[in-house]
Amino acid sequence: QKEVEQDPGPLSVPEGAIVSLNCTYSNSAFQYFMWYRQYSRKGPELLMYTYSSGNKEDGRFTAQVDKSSKYISLFIRDSQPSDSATYLCAMNKGSNYKLTFGKGTLLTVNP
Amino acid sequence: EAGVAQSPRYKIIEKRQSVAFWCNPISGHATLYWYQQILGQGPKLLIQFQNNGVVDDSQLPKDRFSAERLKGVDSTLKIQPAKLEDSAVYLCASSLEGSGGRRTTQYFGAGTRLSVL
Repeated sequence: QKEVEQDPGPLSVPEGAIVSLNCTYSNSAFQYFMWYRQYSRKGPELLMYTYSSGNKEDGRFTAQVDKSSKYISLFIRDSQPSDSATYLCAMNKGSNYKLTFGKGTLLTVNP
Repeated sequence: EAGVAQSPRYKIIEKRQSVAFWCNPISGHATLYWYQQILGQGPKLLIQFQNNGVVDDSQLPKDRFSAERLKGVDSTLKIQPAKLEDSAVYLCASSLEGSGGRRTTQYFGAGTRLSVL
């Protein structure tokens, strides 16, 4: 079993839709949870990070962590064509610096 | 603030040849990472430096891959000899520190796309 599982998609939605992206993980030692966005032929850029269970909101983006279920989500409201990218979840153990990434989900928002 | 610089952007080589990639991190960032991203996969950490020293190289195939960080700034990653399965994007990232949390946000370069024929 992989430490981090993420459905690779692809996911295609119309502009304005609410998008839900998810990851599950198996290692209960993970403490920090991140979402990265990667445009084609670019490096990943940090979108959201959370430390504890619960929700964190930043503009149109909401990150949700449920440590009891080992499940994290990213919600995008009012999706825009510019949101079209691959979304990678990532997590680490805190004291251990290494980030473990999911495979990424390819999202296309159609105008 | 300048981002993480990597070169070359693209490289095509034949198997058994050698190749080197270069990374210049964001100024002042103590920690530098090299990742391998195979098509359709998330990045996998190859090696992590804290200043000059290696923090984690557990996933670096040491029989063919080597990396160094000169004077705690620039870094090079070398593959010798290359295999077909080394075809991937090699990403360099840097961060201020190396533990979890906002202060340790990893900033990525655009990567070097390697094709081994």
